[in-house]
Amino acid sequence: DGGITQSPKYLFRKEGQNVTLSCEQNLNHDAMYWYRQDPGQGLRLIYYSQIVNDFQKGDIAEGYSVSREKKESFPLTVTSAQKNPTAFYLCASSPWGGTYTDTQYFGPGTRLTVL
Amino acid sequence: GNSVTQMEGPVTLSEEAFLTINCTYTATGYPSLFWYVQYPGEGLQLLLKATKADDKGSNKGFEATYRKETTSFHLEKGSVQVSDSAVYFCALSERDDKIIFGKGTRLHILP
Repeated sequence: DGGITQSPKYLFRKEGQNVTLSCEQNLNHDAMYWYRQDPGQGLRLIYYSQIVNDFQKGDIAEGYSVSREKKESFPLTVTSAQKNPTAFYLCASSPWGGTYTDTQYFGPGTRLTVL
Repeated sequence: GNSVTQMEGPVTLSEEAFLTINCTYTATGYPSLFWYVQYPGEGLQLLLKATKADDKGSNKGFEATYRKETTSFHLEKGSVQVSDSAVYFCALSERDDKIIFGKGTRLHILP
């Protein structure tokens, strides 16, 4: 089955620790995205990548970092510099990295809680 | 810049009622428009989309028509079911491979 997997589904972190969220897709999509979802605020774009070894900051990149070493993988690290990291994190991919994005396909999400 | 505005929720309806969730957009070009649905504890799923003016997207009984003259893409369903309870997001695509999402509308359907 093709799709996007995110792991883990629930993640707990102590303050001051970095944590990495996994995102893998086997859809052969070029573009991948990370969003943060907070209650009542919809989705906010953290980082996105159109091709391997390249990525761009989204609207709320501070305190986050990413890498894109392989086409199918786009891990997100939440660093200790992120002041309010507790949220639901969603990864997505889309078929091509052209001028206009096509449909985005989402993973099931990771809920991060900072203790 | 481009933006999406959708009606605030929650919207509460009885089963078999008619549903409308309003969505209007601001865009400089000719974006594609989307409706996504999110069930509790899950990621978003594409519900329907339209890529040009007057196109109608439809899926699972839901419909939305791309209205350029009113810059709208309202979601409708003739008879909702309890299983339609979810959060619905209107969205538009723009250049640079990004999608702009509305804030979402939570829908509750009562049996």
